[in-house]
Amino acid sequence: DQQVKQNSPSLSVQEGRISILNCDYTNSMFDYFLWYKKYPAEGPTFLISISSIKDKNEDGRFTVFLNKSAKHLSLHIVPSQPGDSAVYFCAASELNSGYSTLTFGKGTMLLVSP
Amino acid sequence: DTGVSQDPRHKITKRGQNVTFRCDPISEHNRLYWYRQTLGQGPEFLTYFQNEAQLEKSRLLSDRFSAERPKGSFSTLEIQRTEQGDSAMYLCASSLGGGPLHFGNGTRLTVT
Repeated sequence: DQQVKQNSPSLSVQEGRISILNCDYTNSMFDYFLWYKKYPAEGPTFLISISSIKDKNEDGRFTVFLNKSAKHLSLHIVPSQPGDSAVYFCAASELNSGYSTLTFGKGTMLLVSP
Repeated sequence: DTGVSQDPRHKITKRGQNVTFRCDPISEHNRLYWYRQTLGQGPEFLTYFQNEAQLEKSRLLSDRFSAERPKGSFSTLEIQRTEQGDSAMYLCASSLGGGPLHFGNGTRLTVT
């Protein structure tokens, strides 16, 4: 049973446009969410996070939106750059575990073309 | 910050052999995690340490798997009697408390 779902295996976007990556979760105990980026042959790299007390967090070109009632979050990248081409993982955690474990989605491969 | 270091990067072994992987976390991080990633999946939690204490283990961590962090610094993950189903990328991560996890580049295990 996938508790964190990324339903789009891939996404193609033109350079300069907005990339929107989506993530849904089923466990209502999750209260801390993160996005990771992964290049081939490298480990995941932390991008941005959001706590459930917020509905938006922004860091440069990256913004994460959280809709708790819909159990949905999204990552917006504006403007998209070719170097953003990678696999993006959504992950969730909960206070009850002391934020000790992350549950990941299967990832979305983003391709940004020049 | 030199990042999380994992050794070896690749390991090919025959079914039934034992293998051991090493992870060196970011020096000031007190938590260390092991995850496993197979093709087409996200990383799956295996176990984590706070300092030298192993505080949680996933049901994915069978009896053939053992992890240690003897002095609260580096960690080892040993798999005994490897099976083909153990073939995966083994990722180590560290964090300061409940902060974001910082991952190493992983050890890719192939069991033939």
